[in-house]
Amino acid sequence: DGGITQSPKYLFRKEGQNVTLSCEQNLNHDAMYWYRQDPGQGLRLIYYSQIVNDFQKGDIAEGYSVSREKKESFPLTVTSAQKNPTAFYLCASSLGRGGNEKLFFGSGTQLSVL
Amino acid sequence: GENVEQHPSTLSVQEGDSAVIKCTYSDSASNYFPWYKQELGKRPQLIIDIRSNVGEKKDQRIAVTLNKTAKHFSLHITETQPEDSAVYFCADGTGYSSASKIIFGSGTRLSIRP
Repeated sequence: DGGITQSPKYLFRKEGQNVTLSCEQNLNHDAMYWYRQDPGQGLRLIYYSQIVNDFQKGDIAEGYSVSREKKESFPLTVTSAQKNPTAFYLCASSLGRGGNEKLFFGSGTQLSVL
Repeated sequence: GENVEQHPSTLSVQEGDSAVIKCTYSDSASNYFPWYKQELGKRPQLIIDIRSNVGEKKDQRIAVTLNKTAKHFSLHITETQPEDSAVYFCADGTGYSSASKIIFGSGTRLSIRP
């Protein structure tokens, strides 16, 4: 699914630092999602957006922030308030608005704490 | 959907045998039930999905069944092959609003024994 790109592939965060994960799609998809994946666990929803300039909190939004200023971009900021940020982060998009369509995933960003 | 429970967390089957993974959901408004496969080091990929107006769907060796009354759905893989080894995630979605989202189960690690 080359139409959705995450960068960087690996990211290191220092204590007290905010870091931003990039997610870009050229599929003209309306909806975009951020999930967190911990070893041996499922995909937990952080934030999602069904339309530009609107987004909703998922199940584990605390310590994270997002923006959706452009249809093709949905960056995720991991703030210093997130005390356990080490995880694999997956961005996804779907064509239509609403949680009932196929998700296309990016290749993920592995975030680690120094 | 609000909550999706998935069982078992690990499953080992002999090559050629069948594998069954089960999920239950809590939100009566859920109307979309996809299954994703994640191979080691790769992004999740949709393998099959079913909507609430259908009880069963098949695609070659893979089938999904839905019991709306009991709020559970299952993935069936027949004639398992080594390439079926992966982590499988069920999910549920509720459509057609800005708050619509897709929630995942905790995953099942399927191993195929030669």
